[in-house]
Amino acid sequence: DAKTTQPPSMDCAEGRAANLPCNHSTISGNEYVYWYRQIHSQGPQYIIHGLKNNETNEMASLIITEDRKSSTLILPHATLRDTAVYYCIVRVEEGGSEKLVFGKGTKLTVNP
Amino acid sequence: DSGVTQTPKHLITATGQRVTLRCSPRSGDLSVYWYQQSLDQGLQFLIHYYNGEERAKGNILERFSAQQFPDLHSELNLSSLELGDSALYFCASSVALGNSGNTIYFGEGSWLTVV
Repeated sequence: DAKTTQPPSMDCAEGRAANLPCNHSTISGNEYVYWYRQIHSQGPQYIIHGLKNNETNEMASLIITEDRKSSTLILPHATLRDTAVYYCIVRVEEGGSEKLVFGKGTKLTVNP
Repeated sequence: DSGVTQTPKHLITATGQRVTLRCSPRSGDLSVYWYQQSLDQGLQFLIHYYNGEERAKGNILERFSAQQFPDLHSELNLSSLELGDSALYFCASSVALGNSGNTIYFGEGSWLTVV
């Protein structure tokens, strides 16, 4: 089962920041938080990941709370092309394998 | 372009048939994962291979099998196909094992339609 909880849907105005929350209260100390998005039925696209510190790349910023029980993905200036399902995932390692367990994600709609 | 290549992109076949889906991971990636995405189930983990060895199984049916070859490409074999097997099948790859924070990249998927 997915170890994360996300709101099922969110709306954002074009050009504004989109802040997507995620709860992962059972995360272990060495488990990373990953964010992916899926546009229509394309392959999930990697966005960003982090362990403890806040991270930023050309696509987004990831803010992880100090207790690591929640995080927020920030798209600083959302465009219509950012409309997608966003998945927050805790990467699980068990039995010599690590894998991504997807939940239902957040359907982000960017409106003109 | 993630660098993960999947073929075929689309496939239509009849119930009871067998198909093989192929995945070429990113150059240098040793881990290959298979996922299934159907309309009502979301993305489901099927199986993970690392350097030719099976590492983990998820919700993979007994009618399905996979392998990873010495050149690191992988194949997912689906047999005795049923209508409910119609789905998108994704392959993903990453460079190593362990929760070291390396990235898993996904291919564009193979659309399977069983009629």
